[in-house]
Amino acid sequence: DAMVIQNPRYQVTQFGKPVTLSCSQTLNHNVMYWYQQKSSQAPKLLFHYYDKDFNNEADTPDNFQSRRPNTSFCFLDIRSPGLGDAAMYLCATSARREETQYFGPGTRLLVL
Amino acid sequence: QKEVEQNSGPLSVPEGAIASLNCTYSDRGSQSFFWYRQYSGKSPELIMSIYSNGDKEDGRFTAQLNKASQYVSLLIRDSQPSDSATYLCAGLLYSNYQLIWGAGTKLIIKP
Repeated sequence: DAMVIQNPRYQVTQFGKPVTLSCSQTLNHNVMYWYQQKSSQAPKLLFHYYDKDFNNEADTPDNFQSRRPNTSFCFLDIRSPGLGDAAMYLCATSARREETQYFGPGTRLLVL
Repeated sequence: QKEVEQNSGPLSVPEGAIASLNCTYSDRGSQSFFWYRQYSGKSPELIMSIYSNGDKEDGRFTAQLNKASQYVSLLIRDSQPSDSATYLCAGLLYSNYQLIWGAGTKLIIKP
């Protein structure tokens, strides 16, 4: 089945220790998104790739970076995680920006 | 500021009844709307999308869109305990393809 996969599902890191979250998709979608979601809040868009074009949201901290080496994979790098970065990180894809977004299972990040 | 608003709930509905979830939006540039269901600790799952005024039905779910009133709703017929979740409404702005999210309504179906 075509799907969006995220690894790991749970990540524990230490304050200030870099962490990388990964997302892969078999849907062959052009657009990939990274969201941050904290408890009882709506997902917050961090950035998205439309094909190879990177689009950073204005209020995304510089601590967050992303890479998309090919159509199938996208990575979220958190260079120096703080306690406030503990959240669920959601990867989503869509065929085009105006179309439905489909989410992966998410990665729960805990910062100690 | 472009907003999508939902009552946070919880909305409690008896099993077998109709659950009605509502969403209003502020930007008339929003053209497409999506309802996602999110179980606690899980990721959002698409329930319905709607683009045109009127009703769209899929099984027990009906989405309704009224662009004049800037109102979107989701009806769940024959509610089941497994429908208990948070329902997120989102509107897509065609000006910049940004998806604007509501904060979600927590739905509880009581057996």
